[in-house]
Amino acid sequence: QQPVQSPQAVILREGEDAVINCSSSKALYSVHWYRQKHGEAPVFLMILLKGGEQKGHEKISASFNEKKQQSSLYLTASQLSYSGTYFCGTVLANDYKLSFGAGTTVTVRA
Amino acid sequence: DTEVTQTPKHLVMGMTNKKSLKCEQHMGHRAMYWYKQKAKKPPELMFVYSYEKLSINESVPSRFSPECPNSSLLNLHLHALQPEDSALYLCASAAGTSYEQYFGPGTRLTVT
Repeated sequence: QQPVQSPQAVILREGEDAVINCSSSKALYSVHWYRQKHGEAPVFLMILLKGGEQKGHEKISASFNEKKQQSSLYLTASQLSYSGTYFCGTVLANDYKLSFGAGTTVTVRA
Repeated sequence: DTEVTQTPKHLVMGMTNKKSLKCEQHMGHRAMYWYKQKAKKPPELMFVYSYEKLSINESVPSRFSPECPNSSLLNLHLHALQPEDSALYLCASAAGTSYEQYFGPGTRLTVT
């Protein structure tokens, strides 16, 4: 079942922050975050496995609220290199298939 | 080394042709995946191999035939494709089916 991602697109100036949300109507085992630049393959950012877990990768971090089946990706002090489409992927508690959300296009401008 | 390689990079084929896509990883991963991605859409799962056995086939038409000759290689055999099959075909691998996936650069397929 495809998770719901929001917003669909966001435009930022360098140094600004943004939050991307991902939610599921079913119990999740894990949430994955990927970034894909135009014409390239998706690149793994981080995986979250437990409720309330947070992880970080430079100035990109994420949280997973297991009770709400929601995850958020935080882009802090955005850089031009953060531009791309961000996909969350979810694995259900009783499955191992990764289903991707529709994606959020992030554009960071100088 | 988190590299997954795919060949060819681009492929143009007619509807009566037979061709194959190849994917290789040397990370010791035991799960390998084929995805199809259309422009401005998320990757769509086609097949999952776990320990060289097909574990998921997402109701993919039989004109797509996967093969996993060994733990490092994954092929996708194509036959009698339709123009709507034109897309980016991505291969991914993971340590196991519950782990993060690493994607190859993809094969851009055009069916004429």
